[in-house]
Amino acid sequence: KAGVTQTPRYLIKTRGQQVTLSCSPISGHRSVSWYQQTPGQGLQFLFEYFSETQRNKGNFPGRFSGRQFSNSRSEMNVSTLELGDSALYLCASSWDRNTEAFFGQGTRLTVV
Amino acid sequence: KNQVEQSPQSLIILEGKNCTLQCNYTVSPFSNLRWYKQDTGRGPVSLTIMTFSENTKSNGRYTATLDADTKQSSLHITASQLSDSASYICAQSGGSYIPTFGRGTSLIVHP
Repeated sequence: KAGVTQTPRYLIKTRGQQVTLSCSPISGHRSVSWYQQTPGQGLQFLFEYFSETQRNKGNFPGRFSGRQFSNSRSEMNVSTLELGDSALYLCASSWDRNTEAFFGQGTRLTVV
Repeated sequence: KNQVEQSPQSLIILEGKNCTLQCNYTVSPFSNLRWYKQDTGRGPVSLTIMTFSENTKSNGRYTATLDADTKQSSLHITASQLSDSASYICAQSGGSYIPTFGRGTSLIVHP
């Protein structure tokens, strides 16, 4: 059974640019959540998608957005990148809310 | 503000010994509490998930307990192995199912 796949694994972007990260969940999982992990703030919840609808959103500015496709694959987009957006971005998939969540390896984003 | 506090911040133990990690949370109402293991440079791996009605959950050598009255959870690791060296993160979700994460406990197991 394939795990959660995130692409790309590493990314370097310049301030002001935008970036799109991709997440392919485990087959059959309808919930995909995104997280930001930094040394200073730890793990923080960005948003959750379930059956193509955003079901929850964390406390992040509108520059952070996402979507989910009919095959449950999800993308997140960050526009007008800032240095502080440098982080490990993780996605996790699960069957539903109170079920086990499986994380991908993450995308390491560096903004210069 | 929702808070999840973990202790100790770091812990060093000898291989074969047991240890217990603590997690205190403030969010109410309660949806679930999760424990994760995260190796450096990798995504977290789920160890346990407990809902309100559960006060203990085991996964091999890992046993999590939950006291909803005191809003405390603990993760007990039995017969530690070198591969247990990692960061252990507690995450608690309230009624909205938005998780709040602790800063983690860094565990080092020495031979």
